[in-house]
Amino acid sequence: LAKTTQPISMDSYEGQEVNITCSHNNIATNDYITWYQQFPSQGPRFIIQGYKTKVTNEVASLFIPADRKSSTLSLPRVSLSDTAVYYCLVGEGRATSGTYKYIFGTGTRLKVLA
Amino acid sequence: NAGVTQTPKFQVLKTGQSMTLQCAQDMNHEYMSWYRQDPGMGLRLIHYSVGAGITDQGEVPNGYNVSRSTTEDFPLRLLSAAPSQTSVYFCASRGQGAWEQFFGPGTRLTVL
Repeated sequence: LAKTTQPISMDSYEGQEVNITCSHNNIATNDYITWYQQFPSQGPRFIIQGYKTKVTNEVASLFIPADRKSSTLSLPRVSLSDTAVYYCLVGEGRATSGTYKYIFGTGTRLKVLA
Repeated sequence: NAGVTQTPKFQVLKTGQSMTLQCAQDMNHEYMSWYRQDPGMGLRLIHYSVGAGITDQGEVPNGYNVSRSTTEDFPLRLLSAAPSQTSVYFCASRGQGAWEQFFGPGTRLTVL
């Protein structure tokens, strides 16, 4: 199972763009990269998922270089409500297969300041 | 729909007691999982299921049992509670062909 490494914490100010990088040197060919957000006392919530290059949705962008050994979650113009823990996961298995195991690391604690 | 629901929200047990944490989903998802989260830590996978009647172990399965008799329900049983099992437990589900997991609100368990 690919292990991920993220910064333990980050601070940012409202309105800034935040980039959180995750290292996954042992990622396998079939693995996808998924990011989750977790607020205190809540379960994690899916943000974005990708395999390579760049993926963008209404809340974030995910940049994955060609070697796929790292990925960067980009949050544009953060607000106070984006204060949360962000987890990078590398999935073992394929979305259509019957087996999968996701390993959550310790995550990155993002604090957005006014 | 309600999504993923978990009961109870809070539970206090004494060492050696047994109990079942309930998890249900109404999205007709094939895949369901149980995680535990210790203070300041990430989530660790306990058990997971890829469909009714099929379960498998995750990272930290010892001390826990699961069964999946229906698509909707995936209960987690603590056979003989220990203080090391004090944690927040999350249940999650995922549809076939999808990567997004939907998490329940969690059960906060304290074992004295």
